[in-house]
Amino acid sequence: DIQLTQSPSFLSASVGDRVTITCRASQGISNYLDWYQHRPGKAPRLLIYAASTLHSGVPARFSGSGSGTEFTLTISRLQPEDFATYYCQQVKSYPRITTGQGTRLDIK
Amino acid sequence: QVQLVESGGGVVQPGRSLRLSCAASGFTFSNYGMHWVRQAPGKGLEWVAVISYEGSHKYYGDSVQGRFTISRDNSQNTLYLQMDSLRVEDTAVYYCAKAGDSSGYSWFDFWGQGNLVTVSS
Repeated sequence: DIQLTQSPSFLSASVGDRVTITCRASQGISNYLDWYQHRPGKAPRLLIYAASTLHSGVPARFSGSGSGTEFTLTISRLQPEDFATYYCQQVKSYPRITTGQGTRLDIK
Repeated sequence: QVQLVESGGGVVQPGRSLRLSCAASGFTFSNYGMHWVRQAPGKGLEWVAVISYEGSHKYYGDSVQGRFTISRDNSQNTLYLQMDSLRVEDTAVYYCAKAGDSSGYSWFDFWGQGNLVTVSS
């Protein structure tokens, strides 16, 4: 299976900060990489698909980049509602879909 | 707007069965692949199963292969997950998710709120 490793696993930041989360794949996955936000007790939410395309309704402060084995999610100016856990997921090896371990973003 | 509402969870003993349902609305259900994803307590998201738009293709994660069955009723806009031979490690919140295309080979663009399944003696 393709392994996805996110870094960091935990991140502490303040409202207004710019943060970047990295996702590394154990083998090349082209751009078959998506990013999700998950707040406790809520439905997970698609943010970015195909590595860099913003899902409908997602604020423009979220952006994604990368291809092959290294990908990043950037939040340009953190808002209070952005404190959540973020996951990357690959579908290149469909149906053997795998997900990163998650990055928890906390308020400093 | 797209809505996915899971039901059928609860507490069940190891070795028993449970069936989850996911009622879909706000989109043409019969046109899209559908997934089940779970989150065990304190853990991350784990993909469980996928079914294509018409139900002919079904795939499962290794941890549930042979014990869980995904199905759908397009006339009722409902997705199902039949869970047999349940284990303590199947305890999790189960989410249904809509695929971005008919096969399921794409991102998950909408998710339900989740339904808790607890396997305990």
